[in-house]
Amino acid sequence: EDQVTQSPEALRLQEGESSSLNCSYTVSGLRGLFWYRQDPGKGPEFLFTLYSAGEEKEKERLKATLTKKESFLHITAPKPEDSATYLCAVHNQAGTALIFGKGTTLSVSS
Amino acid sequence: ETGVTQSPTHLIKTRGQQVTLRCSSQSGHNTVSWYQQALGQGPQFIFQYYREEENGRGNFPPRFSGLQFPNYSSELNVNALELDDSALYLCASSSTTGSYEQYFGPGTRLTVT
Repeated sequence: EDQVTQSPEALRLQEGESSSLNCSYTVSGLRGLFWYRQDPGKGPEFLFTLYSAGEEKEKERLKATLTKKESFLHITAPKPEDSATYLCAVHNQAGTALIFGKGTTLSVSS
Repeated sequence: ETGVTQSPTHLIKTRGQQVTLRCSSQSGHNTVSWYQQALGQGPQFIFQYYREEENGRGNFPPRFSGLQFPNYSSELNVNALELDDSALYLCASSSTTGSYEQYFGPGTRLTVT
């Protein structure tokens, strides 16, 4: 069964304190792993797509990496405005649905 | 480029009633997917529409139904509302050419009392 597990569920950081979020996945034939940012009460905002092991993508203070079983979202020197829930998702085998994890809620304090 | 829009923003309904939610896809996108997100959970796939037909369905009962129109906009209809249907309903659009990325709208918050 296709499955996505994210850890930790919640993460509190001080401004400037770098850390990583984990996304473990089980899927038959990866058709893409997706990272989204979601602010409270709003729709997910697309961040990255990763397609193959070893691939890396960066955007400002965020860097996403992919292995054959997991992905990491590295946050370097975070700021309070990085506070949000970060969601990881993979496509199902049919390529229609995104299967999401429960997300990691990041809080960055100044 | 216009992003995904949804209406209404918020909605309060009574158990047993019916509701229709609307979505306009991002320009250039021909596929629309609907998701339900309960509080503290990740979005759950309801169904996807492509060429005005259902193209995949998640584990939701038949009282959840949808439509896609020739301009690629879409509706989600839910009959016989239950208290557990209270959630954020998200619409996402994508294209069958290029990447598999889905872009989400702001969502409709449905409360069933």
